[in-house]
Amino acid sequence: DVKVTQSSRYLVKRTGEKVFLECVQDMDHENMFWYRQDPGLGLRLIYFSYDVKMKEKGDIPEGYSVSREKKERFSLILESASTNQTSMYLCASSLLGAGSSGVDSTDTQYFGPGTRLTVL
Amino acid sequence: GQQVMQIPQYQHVQEGEDFTTYCNSSTTLSNIQWYKQRPGGHPVFLIQLVKSGEVKKQKRLTFQFGEAKKNSSLHITATQTTDVGTYFCAGQMTTDSWGKLQFGAGTQVVVTP
Repeated sequence: DVKVTQSSRYLVKRTGEKVFLECVQDMDHENMFWYRQDPGLGLRLIYFSYDVKMKEKGDIPEGYSVSREKKERFSLILESASTNQTSMYLCASSLLGAGSSGVDSTDTQYFGPGTRLTVL
Repeated sequence: GQQVMQIPQYQHVQEGEDFTTYCNSSTTLSNIQWYKQRPGGHPVFLIQLVKSGEVKKQKRLTFQFGEAKKNSSLHITATQTTDVGTYFCAGQMTTDSWGKLQFGAGTQVVVTP
C-alpha cells in the first residue's frame, strides 16, 4: 500500500512566520503535488514536482515555494504566512513519470492525511 | 478560473434513494478520475475513465465518461449512510503531460437515515 505522510495534522502559526509543511511518500513515485482545500473551491494545485529538484507552478503558487531535494520528500514553504493562507493543505504523489501522457491508471494520486494550518 | 465544474455542490439524499453528480470540463480531457473524501479524511481514488463513452460500475456506483470526453457523471443507487462524503471528479487535460489533474469543487453528500 502506498503511504503518504505529512509532518503535522494541525498547525497554528502567526502572521509573518515562515512555515514548513513536509510530505513523504514511500512508493518511489515520480510526481508529488501540493494542494490547498477550501470549502466550495475543491482542491487547488499550488505546486507540483515531477523529479528531484524539478518543480512547476500550479494554479495558485503566489505566496508559496517548494523544495524537493530527495525523491520521497516534497516540502511546501510559506515564506511569510498570512491569514488568507489558513486552509487544509494536502500532499499527493503519483507514479507517472515525466513526459508520459497518463492514459493508464499509473497517474492515480495518493493523498496524505492533510495539515490544517491556521494563521493568526 | 476553474476548468472543471461539478454540480450539485450539495446533495441531501434519503437513505435508499438514487442520485447523480455531474462533472463538466471546458476542454477535452484525456482521462477523468473520481475520488471520495469521507468527513475528516483525505481524498481516496475510486476509478479512472479513459475511453469516450466509457461506463464502469463499482457495486452501487456507476461512472460514465461522455462521448466528447468533456463530461462525466457518477450515479449512486440505493444510497447508504456509508456513501456520506464529498465526491470529486478530476480531469487530466490533453495538454498536460505530467499527471496533473484539475479537480472539481466536489459534491458533498449527506444521507438521511
